[in-house]
Amino acid sequence: QKEVEQNSGPLSVPEGAIASLNCTYSDRGSQSFFWYRQYSGKSPELIMSIYSNGDKEDGRFTAQLNKASQYVSLLIRDSQPSDSATYLCAVNTYGGSQGNLIFGKGTKLSVKP
Amino acid sequence: ETGVTQTPRHLVMGMTNKKSLKCEQHLGHNAMYWYKQSAKKPLELMFVYSLEERVENNSVPSRFSPECPNSSHLFLHLHTLQPEDSALYLCASSQERMTFGAAYNEQFFGPGTRLTVL
Repeated sequence: QKEVEQNSGPLSVPEGAIASLNCTYSDRGSQSFFWYRQYSGKSPELIMSIYSNGDKEDGRFTAQLNKASQYVSLLIRDSQPSDSATYLCAVNTYGGSQGNLIFGKGTKLSVKP
Repeated sequence: ETGVTQTPRHLVMGMTNKKSLKCEQHLGHNAMYWYKQSAKKPLELMFVYSLEERVENNSVPSRFSPECPNSSHLFLHLHTLQPEDSALYLCASSQERMTFGAAYNEQFFGPGTRLTVL
C-alpha cells in the first residue's frame, strides 16, 4: 500500500514567521512531488512541484526533496494570515498509470496576526 | 471560461435519483480525473482517463459511472447512491508527459461539486 504521511496539525505560526510543512512517502519509486493549498470549502490549488533532490524556490515558497530519506517539505517564509489553509502533499509514482497521484491527509496551517 | 469548470456546484439527491456531474477543461490537457474528498480522509482517486480511454478504476462501486466523450469533457453519472457517498467530488486535468523515464503530471482541479445524498 503506497502511502503519503503528513502531520494533520494544526500548525500555528505567528505572522512573519517561517512555516515548515513535512511529508513522507512510502514508495521509493516515486518520481514527482507536489504541494497543493486548499482553503476551507474550496478545491486544491497547485502551488509547487519538485522532481529532483534539493531545493526549489518560488517567491515565499521553498520545496525541499530528499529521495534517500523519502521526505519532501514546504517552507513558507514571511507567513501571512492569508496562508492559513490546509496543505496537501501529493506524490506521483513512476510506472503503471502515470496519472496516479497519492495524496496525504493534509496539514492545517494557521497564521496568527 | 478558463481552467477546469464543474457543474453543478451543489447537488442534493435522494437515494433513488439519477444525476450527472459535468466537468470541462479549457487547458488543452490529455488526461482527466475524478476524485472524492470526504471529511478526515485523503483525496481518493476514482477514475482516470488518458486520451479518452479509462486507464484507472480504483474499485469504485458501480453506482458511479464515468464517461469521457472527448478530451475536454468528463461526466460522472450517479444512480442509487448511499448517504455515505455524500462528499466533495473533484475533477482534475493534466498534460501527461514522460521525460527521461520520469512522469510529469501537474494536475489542476476544478471547484468541485458538493454532493449530499439524503
